[in-house]
Amino acid sequence: GENVEQHPSTLSVQEGDSAVIKCTYSDSASNYFPWYKQELGKRPQLIIDIRSNVGEKKDQRIAVTLNKTAKHFSLHITETQPEDSAVYFCAPYTGNQFYFGTGTSLTVIP
Amino acid sequence: NAGVTQTPKFQVLKTGQSMTLQCAQDMNHEYMSWYRQDPGMGLRLIHYSVGAGITDQGEVPNGYNVSRSTTEDFPLRLLSAAPSQTSVYFCASTPFGGPYEQYFGPGTRLTVT
Repeated sequence: GENVEQHPSTLSVQEGDSAVIKCTYSDSASNYFPWYKQELGKRPQLIIDIRSNVGEKKDQRIAVTLNKTAKHFSLHITETQPEDSAVYFCAPYTGNQFYFGTGTSLTVIP
Repeated sequence: NAGVTQTPKFQVLKTGQSMTLQCAQDMNHEYMSWYRQDPGMGLRLIHYSVGAGITDQGEVPNGYNVSRSTTEDFPLRLLSAAPSQTSVYFCASTPFGGPYEQYFGPGTRLTVT
């Protein structure tokens, strides 16, 4: 199976600053790399994803970068806002399964 | 579209009881899965299905059974509940052949006493 590590586990930033969360994985066959956001008491929701043939993808304030050689991908949030406060999970996909990281709790301080 | 629905929202069981968590989706997705989420941990895959009649085990399958008789429904059965199964359970679906975004249900909070 896949071994997924996510860092940091908690992150506090001032409103307007940037946040970066890193996810490392072990299976070189992984070919899809999504990030999910989960607000307290809610279900996870996809915020951005990237496929193995792409190095970077951006959607407004959110971007994901992929380094397949080093087996890691990162979530970048710029100009953070209080509503970005949530838990973020990476979930690389391989062998018909999604493997979730243990999550990063992001707090944006107004 | 209702998306992915789960029932019940909350459930309390006594040790040794059995029950079925229901999951349904109306998006004609082939791939469905069950996860459990414990405090401070990510989502761990229990069982998944890539189509009607096909199921497979995930990371933590012990104590749970599934079946997939239709594309729409994917129930999760707890055979003999144990306190270690206290958790929040999420069902998800996605079109197969991608992979693609997973759509999650609202979750079922289960407590086993």
